[in-house]
Amino acid sequence: QSVLTQPPSVSAAPGQKVTISCSGSSSNIGSNYVSWYQQLPGTAPKLLIYDNNKRPSGIPDRFSGSKSGTSATLGITGLQTGDEADYYCGTWDSSLSDGRVFGTGTKVTVL
Amino acid sequence: QVQLQQSGPGLVKPSQTLSLTCAISGDSVSSNSVAWNWIRQSPSRGLEWLGRTYYRSKWYNDYAVSVKSRITVNPDTSKNHFSLQLNSVTPEDTAVYYCARELWYSSSSFAFDVWGQGTMVTVSS
Repeated sequence: QSVLTQPPSVSAAPGQKVTISCSGSSSNIGSNYVSWYQQLPGTAPKLLIYDNNKRPSGIPDRFSGSKSGTSATLGITGLQTGDEADYYCGTWDSSLSDGRVFGTGTKVTVL
Repeated sequence: QVQLQQSGPGLVKPSQTLSLTCAISGDSVSSNSVAWNWIRQSPSRGLEWLGRTYYRSKWYNDYAVSVKSRITVNPDTSKNHFSLQLNSVTPEDTAVYYCARELWYSSSSFAFDVWGQGTMVTVSS
């Protein structure tokens, strides 16, 4: 159902870095800003990144975002056990009458 | 600090109407720089945006194509909340439903910066 594609899972040891990709098209990522959300088990999603690469107040700089063409990337450095969660990208799709769309989600596992 | 508190039944019978409410504290449903959304999440469909309501001199609504014929999102200014009604539900509508504030950073930039706690809704007889 999701129009934005993410890898199902990524993993790394504590202290290491992971990157999560989000692939879309010219009508969504290619022409609009991307946001990223962290969902800890049993909780609602939480905003991590907006406007492709900006962090809301309170989000540590270990989290970073970037966008190139029709893809976006979330990076997490200095991985901690508390970072184990599902991560989702989001944007809007100009071909869907202002419809908001989300990625398929990526499970981050800290080894 | 903006908070959203959801309420509504967790069990709905097939063909009936799903109704949820999202109470807003710390902001106004009539605010000019935000929109108020409903989003659901299920294992089969992932995170799925359903619809929103917002005020820009008058009230507007946008709905996902997948539910457009069955959904209504309404603001209630007297209670400072907004609601979701989804008609003619089927078991495929079983999901966790979230309300969320959409903050506009510019005319072309937004994000869902505040979320409700989520309501698990099961459609079953």
